[in-house]
Amino acid sequence: ETGVTQTPRHLVMGMTNKKSLKCEQHLGHNAMYWYKQSAKKPLELMFVYNFKEQTENNSVPSRFSPECPNSSHLFLHLHTLQPEDSALYLCASSLQGGTQYFGPGTRLLVL
Amino acid sequence: AQTVTQSQPEMSVQEAETVTLSCTYDTSENNYYLFWYKQPPSRQMILVIRQEAYKQQNATENRFSVNFQKAAKSFSLKISDSQLGDTAMYFCAFMNPPNFGNEKLTFGTGTRLTIIP
Repeated sequence: ETGVTQTPRHLVMGMTNKKSLKCEQHLGHNAMYWYKQSAKKPLELMFVYNFKEQTENNSVPSRFSPECPNSSHLFLHLHTLQPEDSALYLCASSLQGGTQYFGPGTRLLVL
Repeated sequence: AQTVTQSQPEMSVQEAETVTLSCTYDTSENNYYLFWYKQPPSRQMILVIRQEAYKQQNATENRFSVNFQKAAKSFSLKISDSQLGDTAMYFCAFMNPPNFGNEKLTFGTGTRLTIIP
């Protein structure tokens, strides 16, 4: 695998479920990001991790819980989501101060 | 806070023609980066081109070039000899100067470009 990968690509979950999104980068980068892309809205930055440390939490509700065990892996744990959380969730990575490269995204539907 | 504005929600052009997508931004910073990303129907966000604000020379990547007007805070993308594979959403994005790993991308709302055969 090369670049930035994300699993699963599609996810349907109920409001009481707990699920996790996974992102892995194979580019040797040190920073990783979660973005949310909803219909008719600009991409919204959710979280930033640099060398495994969270450096940005963009006022994201606590039902989204990120985890970054190392510079290559990033998770987004989901619990008790709402239908309005349905969106495309994009992961990206970069070298510090560099261009961000994106994964293919996870399309999430909350019923 | 930085803002990025793309005033053309949709555009279409005949194959092989040239098209220009507009982007303006607002910032008080002097050093920053600007990007164009494309998002085809697969939803993969793909880097098209990058411009450093301190460089006066406009960036080019094959058929893609930018017109960067720093004083006007304008950053347009020109696609020459357009191809069917250029059909996608195009996003303009602003990144604040390097800040020890706290760099953020601010995106515009996108322009949906359709290349007509």
